[in-house]
Amino acid sequence: KAGVTQTPRYLIKTRGQQVTLSCSPISGHRSVSWYQQTPGQGLQFLFEYFSETQRNKGNFPGRFSGRQFSNSRSEMNVSTLELGDSALYLCASSLIASGGTDTQYFGPGTRLTVL
Amino acid sequence: GENVEQHPSTLSVQEGDSAVIKCTYSDSASNYFPWYKQELGKRPQLIIDIRSNVGEKKDQRIAVTLNKTAKHFSLHITETQPEDSAVYFCAARVPGGGNKLTFGTGTQLKVEL
Repeated sequence: KAGVTQTPRYLIKTRGQQVTLSCSPISGHRSVSWYQQTPGQGLQFLFEYFSETQRNKGNFPGRFSGRQFSNSRSEMNVSTLELGDSALYLCASSLIASGGTDTQYFGPGTRLTVL
Repeated sequence: GENVEQHPSTLSVQEGDSAVIKCTYSDSASNYFPWYKQELGKRPQLIIDIRSNVGEKKDQRIAVTLNKTAKHFSLHITETQPEDSAVYFCAARVPGGGNKLTFGTGTQLKVEL
């Protein structure tokens, strides 16, 4: 099976702009979680989507949002970009058969640079 | 919420030696503890995980131990090789929180020849 894919791999934006990142999970996986990775804060949970519904949300401002489509692909959006949003954004997919929890497999990430 | 502390932040060992990385968690309800390895410029990859109903799990040169009473778990790598050099992250998951993982701050492991 193909692994988790993310597009684009690299993005450069300026402050105030908005950005949309995409994640395609492993075929058959229904849960997609998003994480922000920075040298200072490490890996921090943004949110999780399961069956097109947000199941959990981390401590990030409302500028960070996401959604999931019926084919389990997910997008996250960051509006009004700030310099501090520069990070590697990782998504992870899981096969969840009964609405519980399962092993997460990460994508390669999108490197966002805000100038 | 859950908090995970990880030590040491850097670890240097000689090839063939063992390496141990330790993590503590704050929420006694946590029931799932994965370990991820991240090489430079690559995605985090799951190397081993343990659930709270098990005290130890082993996979070839890698083992994880869990002490629920003390709320800590450790990664043990034996017979280290240069390709083990990477950043290792521990994580914990609280039931009822979906798939949310709380990560430790990472350990940079360097295996020297």
